[in-house]
Amino acid sequence: DAGITQSPRYKITETGRQVTLMCHQTWSHSYMFWYRQDLGHGLRLIYYSAAADITDKGEVPDGYVVSRSKTENFPLTLESATRSQTSVYFCASSESERLFFGSGTQLSVL
Amino acid sequence: KQEVTQIPAALSVPEGENLVLNCSFTDSAIYNLQWFRQDPGKGLTSLLLIQSSQREQTSGRLNASLDKSSGRSTLYIAASQPGDSATYLCAPQGYNNNDMRFGAGTRLTVKP
Repeated sequence: DAGITQSPRYKITETGRQVTLMCHQTWSHSYMFWYRQDLGHGLRLIYYSAAADITDKGEVPDGYVVSRSKTENFPLTLESATRSQTSVYFCASSESERLFFGSGTQLSVL
Repeated sequence: KQEVTQIPAALSVPEGENLVLNCSFTDSAIYNLQWFRQDPGKGLTSLLLIQSSQREQTSGRLNASLDKSSGRSTLYIAASQPGDSATYLCAPQGYNNNDMRFGAGTRLTVKP
């Protein structure tokens, strides 16, 4: 099916480990985004990408790394996970100014 | 920095009622505003997008209005149904692509 898919759906890891969250879209949208959603903070932008090989920081980029070698993929890596990075992570793509979201990855850092 | 407030935080209504969800934002220099729906454990679904030059947008039983100068938007839901139960978020978009801010949402419950 066409759309935006995230994997894994759930992830438990330990502090200090590297974790990569995957995001894949089938629409060839130029813009892609990573958000985290936390109680009390709502949705906050981590990184975004305007096209392949073009990425930029959002509101809360510290501790995260992104890459976009292909238009359809936009992985998010936590280089050394911390408990404060426990959250629900959403990937999104944009077409004609509308945002389309994946189903999210629930990450727990113990 | 854009601040977005949604009132009420939660709302419970009987089926069939018409209802209004409110969104206010502090910076009126916006390019557009979107309303989203989020079901528990799911991602967000875009419902309506209003350009800054528009006053309102309609889709089925949903109508969103925008008063940019006063920093307000409302989402009107007509003849509410239990399937409308979800959290509704508004998100004004600034003139940069990294400049969309989300409200905390209004959690709506429509009782049969």
